[in-house]
Amino acid sequence: AQRVTQPEKLLSVFKGAPVELKCNYSYSGSPELFWYVQYSRQRLQLLLRHISRESIKGFTADLNKGETSFHLKKPFAQEEDSAMYYCASLIQGAQKLVFGQGTRLTINP
Amino acid sequence: GAVVSQHPSWVICKSGTSVKIECRSLDFQATTMFWYRQFPKQSLMLMATSNEGSKATYEQGVEKDKFLINHASLTLSTLTVTSAHPEDSSFYICSARDLRKAKNIQYFGAGTRLSVL
Repeated sequence: AQRVTQPEKLLSVFKGAPVELKCNYSYSGSPELFWYVQYSRQRLQLLLRHISRESIKGFTADLNKGETSFHLKKPFAQEEDSAMYYCASLIQGAQKLVFGQGTRLTINP
Repeated sequence: GAVVSQHPSWVICKSGTSVKIECRSLDFQATTMFWYRQFPKQSLMLMATSNEGSKATYEQGVEKDKFLINHASLTLSTLTVTSAHPEDSSFYICSARDLRKAKNIQYFGAGTRLSVL
């Protein structure tokens, strides 16, 4: 079965420090991966997707097929980055998303 | 664009009653919507895929007679929790795909908190 693993439930860093949220996936084919973010009292929203290869709000994520990872990175964390982050993988054909357990990121002032 | 509205945002009901939750795509048509369940401090678990004009596809372990899904139009899907019991208390979230844009992006509703007494 397709799985997405986010090993850290909680991650706390200081403002201005680099941040990396880990995500590993298990899929034998060509995966399509996403990072979704949920700010306090807001709905889940797309942050970025690997095929876009773009930077959103200073965040980037690179698909590493060798390590089956899609870690989310930002060089300098800001307080407004505090949120719940979910990594998700698309099941091709069925068009369904499989979500990781989520990582709650807290940026300390 | 691509706004998904979910209603109600919070509902309290007595055990044994049925509750209907609506999911609407406000500014786009959605042939496919998805229903998720989220327990406290846990991730989203897909319950079913709702297809306009046809039967929903349920995930393994989800009772189709318990969680009735109707997707009668291109902008509305409903989830009815029938004969609700306290163990059905949870956060239910819907999402929809906007086919005008990238096909595989899902747009999420704000969720419905169901409390069964």
